[in-house]
Amino acid sequence: DVKVTQSSRYLVKRTGEKVFLECVQDMDHENMFWYRQDPGLGLRLIYFSYDVKMKEKGDIPEGYSVSREKKERFSLILESASTNQTSMYLCASSYRGGSPLHFGNGTRLTVT
Amino acid sequence: AQSVTQPDIHITVSEGASLELRCNYSYGATPYLFWYVQSPGQGLQLLLKYFSGDTLVQGIKGFEAEFKRSQSSFNLRKPSVHWSDAAEYFCAVDGGGADGLTFGKGTHLIIQP
Repeated sequence: DVKVTQSSRYLVKRTGEKVFLECVQDMDHENMFWYRQDPGLGLRLIYFSYDVKMKEKGDIPEGYSVSREKKERFSLILESASTNQTSMYLCASSYRGGSPLHFGNGTRLTVT
Repeated sequence: AQSVTQPDIHITVSEGASLELRCNYSYGATPYLFWYVQSPGQGLQLLLKYFSGDTLVQGIKGFEAEFKRSQSSFNLRKPSVHWSDAAEYFCAVDGGGADGLTFGKGTHLIIQP
C-alpha cells in the first residue's frame, strides 16, 4: 500500500511566521500535490510537481511556495502566514497522470 | 477546463436504505473519473475509478458507479447503507495530465438509525 505521510496533524502558528508543511511518499511516485480543503469549497489545488525540482502552480498559489529536492518529499511553504490561510492541507501523490491520487491524513493549520 | 458538480451538499439516508450520490462533469473528451470518501479528520480514500471499458465499475465497501457519457454523469450507488458510511464523498475528474484531479465540492452523507 502507498503511504503518504504528513509530518503534523495539527499546527498553530502566528501571523507573519514562516510555516513549513512536510509530506513524504514511499512509492516512488512521479507526481505530488498540495491541496487546500475548506468547508463549502471542496479541495483546491495549490501546487503540484511532476519531477524533482519541478513545480507548477495550481489554482490558488498566492501566498504559498513549494520545494521538491528529493523525489519522495514535497514541502509546502507559507512565507508569511496569514489568518486566511487557516485551513486543512492535504498532500497527495500519484504514479503518473491519470492514476489515482493517494492522500495523506492532512494537516490542520490554524493561524492566529 | 474540466469541472465537477455535485448537486447535493447534504444527503440523509436511513440505515439499510439504498443510496445514490450524483456527480456531473465537464470535459472535452472521455475523462478519468474517481470517487473518494473522507471520514472526519482523515485524508481521502479511493472508492473506485473509471478509465475505460465497462461503464459500471465496482469499488470497495460495496459501492458502485455508472459512467453515462450522454449525461456527463458518474453517479455513486450503494444498495444498502451502513452507519459507518457516514462521511464526505468527493467526485473527481482527471484529464490525464500531470496536474492531478479536479474535485467537486463534496456531498455530506448522514445516516439515520
